Amino acid sequence: GENVEQHPSTLSVQEGDSAVIKCTYSDSASNYFPWYKQELGKRPQLIIDIRSNVGEKKDQRIAVTLNKTAKHFSLHITETQPEDSAVYFCAASIGVGAGKSTFGDGTTLTVKP
Amino acid sequence: GAVVSQHPSWVICKSGTSVKIECRSLDFQATTMFWYRQFPKQSLMLMATSNEGSKATYEQGVEKDKFLINHASLTLSTLTVTSAHPEDSSFYICSANPAGVRGQGAFFGQGTRLTVV
Repeated sequence: GENVEQHPSTLSVQEGDSAVIKCTYSDSASNYFPWYKQELGKRPQLIIDIRSNVGEKKDQRIAVTLNKTAKHFSLHITETQPEDSAVYFCAASIGVGAGKSTFGDGTTLTVKP
Repeated sequence: GAVVSQHPSWVICKSGTSVKIECRSLDFQATTMFWYRQFPKQSLMLMATSNEGSKATYEQGVEKDKFLINHASLTLSTLTVTSAHPEDSSFYICSANPAGVRGQGAFFGQGTRLTVV
């Protein structure tokens, strides 16, 4: 089955700096890669996603890049703010819908004011 | 965005009893819903895929007789933890996405914190 590895497990940055989280996947059939943000005690929320036919996608301060050949994708957050502090999960899925996803182990991002 | 509601948000039960958790899609129909388990500071582990009108598909290592799943309608899936033990204590969370929408991110319920004493 699919295996998703996520790095780093913890990341601490100063407010205003950029943060980068990287994930690799094993199944070349995976074609949808969402990123979720989970605040303590709350549900994961989708923040950005990318499909296998796209190399990069940006939404304001957040961007995701995908390298299909190398089977890795990354989340980039620029101009970080304290409210960006949370656990971020990458995921990979195959086929219709994205519910049955394989998740990475998560990255705890701390943005220091 | 689509709304998935999970109930209860938290429950405490005694060892040996059963607990039912509901997952509802409030503004869309979902032929498939997914149940995850999350331990503290860990990732989401897929337990099973709930299929409307048919049997659930369980992931390897998940006991289907212990974690009963019923998906009786297009908006409701239930997870029953039978004969609960303290090791079943965890955060259970469901997800769904609107039927027929290809490659769209999942919408999660708010999760259920189960504590077995």
